Amino acid sequence: EAQVTQNPRYLITVTGKKLTVTCSQNMNHEYMSWYRQDPGLGLRQIYYSMNVEVTDKGDVPEGYKVSRKEKRNFPLILESPSPNQTSLYFCASSLRGGQGFNYGYTFGSGTRLTVV
Amino acid sequence: GENVEQHPSTLSVQEGDSAVIKCTYSDSASNYFPWYKQELGKRPQLIIDIRSNVGEKKDQRIAVTLNKTAKHFSLHITETQPEDSAVYFCAAITGNQFYFGTGTSLTVIP
Repeated sequence: EAQVTQNPRYLITVTGKKLTVTCSQNMNHEYMSWYRQDPGLGLRQIYYSMNVEVTDKGDVPEGYKVSRKEKRNFPLILESPSPNQTSLYFCASSLRGGQGFNYGYTFGSGTRLTVV
Repeated sequence: GENVEQHPSTLSVQEGDSAVIKCTYSDSASNYFPWYKQELGKRPQLIIDIRSNVGEKKDQRIAVTLNKTAKHFSLHITETQPEDSAVYFCAAITGNQFYFGTGTSLTVIP
């Protein structure tokens, strides 16, 4: 089944403790992205990747890191989480960027992160 | 970058009535406009989309219209049903980035 898989689904952590949220897709998609969703603010893009070893900042990249060493995986790293990073996070992938979005944009199931 | 505004933020309609959600965008280079439905606790799911060279698209009870000159597009849901209750997001794509609206929480009252 074609899908985007995020882990974990729920995570509670303490301020300053490094964490990684994994994202994997099995559709051979070139484009992958991370969003955070907060009430009243919609979905805001954190980082995106056009292909292996190619990443770019989205609208809210501060406090986050990403890597794209393999085509299927795009982990989100919070090196020193803070309470303002408490949010619902979604990974998404598409065949490619630009015109490739016309072929669909698939979201993962989400990761609800709480930083205390 | 692109700025997408979405209105209203909440909308309640009686079952069977129509619902309309409107979005405006700022970047004339935006060329693809999808709409997503997000049920409580679930991921956003694409429900309909429109490309910049098309003015209107319909899929059963759902339709989207696009006015490129005015830079706005709208989602129309006819004969609403309780299962249409959800949060709806519009988006505009410019280059390689998605820009989402802030969402509309639609409640269909039986």
